[in-house]
Amino acid sequence: GAVVSQHPSWVICKSGTSVKIECRSLDFQATTMFWYRQFPKKSLMLMATSNEGSKATYEQGVEKDKFLINHASLTLSTLTVTSAHPEDSSFYICSATNRDRGTYEQYFGPGTRLTVT
Amino acid sequence: AQSVTQLGSHVSVSEGALVLLRCNYSSSVPPYLFWYVQYPNQGLQLLLKYTTGATLVKGINGFEAEFKKSETSFHLTKPSAHMSDAAEYFCAVSGSTNAGKSTFGDGTTLTVKP
Repeated sequence: GAVVSQHPSWVICKSGTSVKIECRSLDFQATTMFWYRQFPKKSLMLMATSNEGSKATYEQGVEKDKFLINHASLTLSTLTVTSAHPEDSSFYICSATNRDRGTYEQYFGPGTRLTVT
Repeated sequence: AQSVTQLGSHVSVSEGALVLLRCNYSSSVPPYLFWYVQYPNQGLQLLLKYTTGATLVKGINGFEAEFKKSETSFHLTKPSAHMSDAAEYFCAVSGSTNAGKSTFGDGTTLTVKP
């Protein structure tokens, strides 16, 4: 299979604090990992693309200093929401492409629901 | 540039009826097209994809979609709806071989009535 996990599945934090979300490919090595944000009843918005060992590429309008992405290995990428505010509350989803299967398909994690109070 | 339009944010069908979810795309290059399903508070699961070759694509759970270049469409169908099909469905288009560079439609909520 091609399983992607995310941790935590949900988190509540206070305004001004930072939150780290992990995305792991459990049974494959991920060429690339992607981070999406999904607002209620809305579609997915690509935030950034990360490749192992290199800096993430952020989409236009996404603050790279606020949403820090670290892709430390072929199986782990992390998204840190720094100095979180209530408007950062959202459902964050990661996905990964399998290095051995090409990039035609991406495998999604189960998502992390962030609530900032 | 690429974009996706899903016609109908909500579709309701009776159990056993035909499911038709519409998707139109625009792409400046030959598109790769995807349909995903999302259940509440979960990530997305790939239903099917079109890359090249046969234009009628069969996916999981009895779904299929047909790529029609002349109509720039990739509608999703299932002959007989099950209650378990109730979910959010997203159509996506990519102008490259990298699925992660996809643009997603706004989604269609499918309700299945008993």
